[in-house]
Amino acid sequence: GAVVSQHPSRVICKSGTSVKIECRSLDFQATTMFWYRQFPKQSLMLMATSNEGSKATYEQGVEKDKFLINHASLTLSTLTVTSAHPEDSSFYICSAGAAGGEEAFFGQGTRLTVV
Amino acid sequence: GDSVTQMEGPVTLSEEAFLTINCTYTATGYPSLFWYVQYPGEGLQLLLKATKADDKGSNKGFEATYRKETTSFHLEKGSVQVSDSAVYFCALQTDSWGKLQFGAGTQVVVTP
Repeated sequence: GAVVSQHPSRVICKSGTSVKIECRSLDFQATTMFWYRQFPKQSLMLMATSNEGSKATYEQGVEKDKFLINHASLTLSTLTVTSAHPEDSSFYICSAGAAGGEEAFFGQGTRLTVV
Repeated sequence: GDSVTQMEGPVTLSEEAFLTINCTYTATGYPSLFWYVQYPGEGLQLLLKATKADDKGSNKGFEATYRKETTSFHLEKGSVQVSDSAVYFCALQTDSWGKLQFGAGTQVVVTP
């Protein structure tokens, strides 16, 4: 299957700082990328859908000013957690889908810890 | 709206036992159905999928059949190994871009 690379895999940051997470499709053009959040021992919740060259569509309850998503190219989407707080600590995972494709492919996930 | 319901865990089994994880769904239209596996500290791996009614997905000894009449996609494996210990997620997709609705996940623990 296609390869999606997510970086970093783990990050620890101080409260009030911002953290950027990258999601890259390595061998295909990802017209759409999805960002999910997973709390410990819970399921994955969709945060937002990003389409290349346009604004992301956020799910209800997700603060778009706090979780900035940029999808500037067909192979890269970024999620920036701004002014991070301990409650933002979580596992963030991206997936990428291609036009007309049957499924999306997942990155390895990023464990964010805010101290 | 669309939703996925799967049995709660943890499910604890002995090696070589039979595993079933129930999954039912509600959806408008004709979703594709997936099972993903997540090993501790890792991301998601696609285990198997089915895109239409009566399709059977299979991989690594795991199987699931898309049952439209019962809106189910139960996961089965005839003989589990310790290495199958993980969290299993049932998911559905109704668009063509890969947007997924996940079940709550079922933790499976296989003991020697």
